[in-house]
Amino acid sequence: QKEVEQNSGPLSVPEGAIASLNCTYSDRGSQSFFWYRQYSGKSPELIMSIYSNGDQEDGRFTAQLNKASQYVSLLIRDSQPSDSATYLCAEQGQLTFGSGTQLTVLP
Amino acid sequence: SQTIHQWPATLVQPVGSPLSLECTVEGTSNPNLYWYRQAAGRGLQLLFYSVGIGQISSEVPQNLSASRPQDRQFILSSKKLLLSDSGFYLCAWSVTNQPQHFGDGTRLSIL
Repeated sequence: QKEVEQNSGPLSVPEGAIASLNCTYSDRGSQSFFWYRQYSGKSPELIMSIYSNGDQEDGRFTAQLNKASQYVSLLIRDSQPSDSATYLCAEQGQLTFGSGTQLTVLP
Repeated sequence: SQTIHQWPATLVQPVGSPLSLECTVEGTSNPNLYWYRQAAGRGLQLLFYSVGIGQISSEVPQNLSASRPQDRQFILSSKKLLLSDSGFYLCAWSVTNQPQHFGDGTRLSIL
């Protein structure tokens, strides 16, 4: 069974710092991964997709995929209090989501 | 553009009562459809997914069922709710190998 595991949280970073969120996966055949942000009481929203090995950047967000080591990460640069949320990673079939990492950005 | 509608937003039901949650998608054809449940402070638990009309796969044995009577309609049902059915229910759609997009969710409380 495919598994996606996220590094234990919660994670707190000061405003302006880089937040690093990680996810490991079990299925070597997984090709693509997605990162979602979920504010408290709201539904998840897609923030990043990564379809190949390496980095994918969008504004302050960078997703990194390392297939050899079977991990995917999300970096948030210049973290803002509005980034405080739970971040979920999902593998391509999206039948499996990580349990989420709760991020708090401290003003 | 594609949109997903899910209702109601909140629901309070007594134990043993029936349930029907509905989800519809607009702007796309033959989407993959999903029902998830999220307990407070927990991750997403996939309940059902469907790749076409009348095709339902169940991931977790429980007293819930799902149906897809039309291409863009997905319904989650129960004949008798249990206390353990409380949670945040999310409907989502996708096309194969593309990201899922979630509805606003239904917060279900069982009394």
